[in-house]
Amino acid sequence: DARVTQTPRDKVTEMGQEVTMRCQPILGHNTVFWYRQTMMQGLELLAYFRNRAPLDDSGMPKDRFSAEMPDATLATLKIQPSEPRDSAVYFCASGDGLAGGPFQETQYFGPGTRLLVL
Amino acid sequence: ILNVEQSPQSLHVQEGDSTNFTCSFPSSNFYALHWYRWETAKSPEALFVMTLNGDEKKKGRISATLNTKEGYSYLYIKGSQPEDSATYLCAPPQGGSEKLVFGKGTKLTVNP
Repeated sequence: DARVTQTPRDKVTEMGQEVTMRCQPILGHNTVFWYRQTMMQGLELLAYFRNRAPLDDSGMPKDRFSAEMPDATLATLKIQPSEPRDSAVYFCASGDGLAGGPFQETQYFGPGTRLLVL
Repeated sequence: ILNVEQSPQSLHVQEGDSTNFTCSFPSSNFYALHWYRWETAKSPEALFVMTLNGDEKKKGRISATLNTKEGYSYLYIKGSQPEDSATYLCAPPQGGSEKLVFGKGTKLTVNP
């Protein structure tokens, strides 16, 4: 049963510390999305990649957030320095491609990383 | 950014009741509409992708319809069960991209 995996599942850190979240997309999926879940905004897209190339990171605060895909099996989201307002659940999702047609890509979500910045 | 509205925000029904809720989205430049189901403490899971006006999709007791001309989709659950309790999200793609814009969802609670 192929799944998206994320580590760590929970992270508590102090303000100013660097946080790195990791995601392993489903093997064969070539699209990776990073989302943040907050009470106010719901699910908001931070960034996404196709074939490891960043396509859009307009939802991400550029001064402290960065997202990369060092290889096809690993995506990372880094926050440096972290702030209390970054506390949220961060989800990674991988997409099964456009075989079903444009704009019909199904996204498969990982279990999320719950981040608390004190 | 697209304005996606879902109503009601939350809904409580009794086991066995049938229910429905709405997703509204801009009708211009329509590409597709995705429905996801999100159980508490789990991750969102895809339910349907809808593309054509008048489309109707069904998965067990859950079905959805689509009206692209007026910009809405309905999700129906027939004979609700406690395991249907979840937040149901709809998401159209953001103008010509693969980015989904998720609504805030309808939180359904089915009481046994």
